[in-house]
Amino acid sequence: AQTVTQSQPEMSVQEAETVTLSCTYDTSESDYYLFWYKQPPSRQMILVIRQEAYKQQNATENRFSVNFQKAAKSFSLKISDSQLGDAAMYFCARYGGATNKLIFGTGTLLAVQP
Amino acid sequence: GAGVSQTPSNKVTEKGKYVELRCDPISGHTALYWYRQSLGQGPEFLIYFQGTGAADDSGLPNDRFFAVRPEGSVSTLKIQRTERGDSAVYLCASSFSGGSSYEQYFGPGTRLTVT
Repeated sequence: AQTVTQSQPEMSVQEAETVTLSCTYDTSESDYYLFWYKQPPSRQMILVIRQEAYKQQNATENRFSVNFQKAAKSFSLKISDSQLGDAAMYFCARYGGATNKLIFGTGTLLAVQP
Repeated sequence: GAGVSQTPSNKVTEKGKYVELRCDPISGHTALYWYRQSLGQGPEFLIYFQGTGAADDSGLPNDRFFAVRPEGSVSTLKIQRTERGDSAVYLCASSFSGGSSYEQYFGPGTRLTVT
């Protein structure tokens, strides 16, 4: 089964603090792509960060970084110096199949407390 | 430049009616995807177009759902005999190509409510 699992339905973080969102996935492929998307109330899916499985180095985009553990099939997102604008639903996803359709987890709702 | 647009933003229809949802992809993007997002869930794949042809329609739930992309640009998702279970946000995404190195850009979605 090609599944993506997010075990934290909700998370909360204080402004300026750091938070980590968890994600595990299942795949039989050796080369694949992983993503974290942000979905604010506007519904627009915004790509936060992506990781190619063949790269050992963890991806980083400004305050966002990932901890990619290929053997454990784990792909967590770390948000540093959290800001009020980071509050949103976060989805972990991977490409599936030859057509690169995205397979999403169920999401983690992140609240940022001032 | 303009992003992916979807119309209408919201659609309320009665059970049994026919609806059409429209997606305008980013100009020049050959790949187009439709996803459905039910309340409290992540988006689920419905169908993928490469150019004018549906390269993968394995996510369409049943034969009431159909999608077209006649000129390789705008796509329409059509739902016949709507049911209350069809209520969801329908998201469209486009990509420069269907290749794995290309990002999928999402539209704001259409919220469909079947009463």
